[in-house]
Amino acid sequence: EADIYQTPRYLVIGTGKKITLECSQTMGHDKMYWYQQDPGMELHLIHYSYGVNSTEKGDLSSESTVSRIRTEHFPLTLESARPSHTSQYLCASSQTGGQSNYGYTFGSGTRLTVV
Amino acid sequence: QKEVEQDPGPLSVPEGAIVSLNCTYSNSAFQYFMWYRQYSRKGPELLMYTYSSGNKEDGRFTAQVDKSSKYISLFIRDSQPSDSATYLCAFNTNAGKSTFGDGTTLTVKP
Repeated sequence: EADIYQTPRYLVIGTGKKITLECSQTMGHDKMYWYQQDPGMELHLIHYSYGVNSTEKGDLSSESTVSRIRTEHFPLTLESARPSHTSQYLCASSQTGGQSNYGYTFGSGTRLTVV
Repeated sequence: QKEVEQDPGPLSVPEGAIVSLNCTYSNSAFQYFMWYRQYSRKGPELLMYTYSSGNKEDGRFTAQVDKSSKYISLFIRDSQPSDSATYLCAFNTNAGKSTFGDGTTLTVKP
């Protein structure tokens, strides 16, 4: 079944640790996105990619970095986590062409807590 | 000024009520219109999409678009407790990157 997977679902880590949030999709979508969402709040785009070796920063400034070495994989890395990074991180994908204008497929999210 | 304004809510209705969720937008380049549903602690899921003015119906859900007024709505008939969620409107230009509303949280009480 085509889908988008995020791991881990929940993560509690200490300040200063390096972490990588994983996102993989099996739909062959060329566009992928990372959003940050605090509970009950709006989505903020932090990174996006329109294809392999293509990454861009989003509307919300973020201390994270991303890479897109393979079409299906779009990991997000925090080099040194801080309590202000505590949030939910959502990965999404879409396809260029007609279908891209018919919405994104989102993962279930990673809920990150930095203590 | 934000490109998208969504009725903030929260909205609480009794089971069986008709629900109206609304968004306005200012960007004339928006050509595609979507509604997502997001349950607590989950990612949004695409509920409905359309690209033309008028109504599109899917079961108990109807999406309405008025391009001349830059206004879209989602109607839920015979609302159920399982419809309790946050609903987000979203808009695409031909370039494909979405602009989301802030979301309206709906609670349907049994």
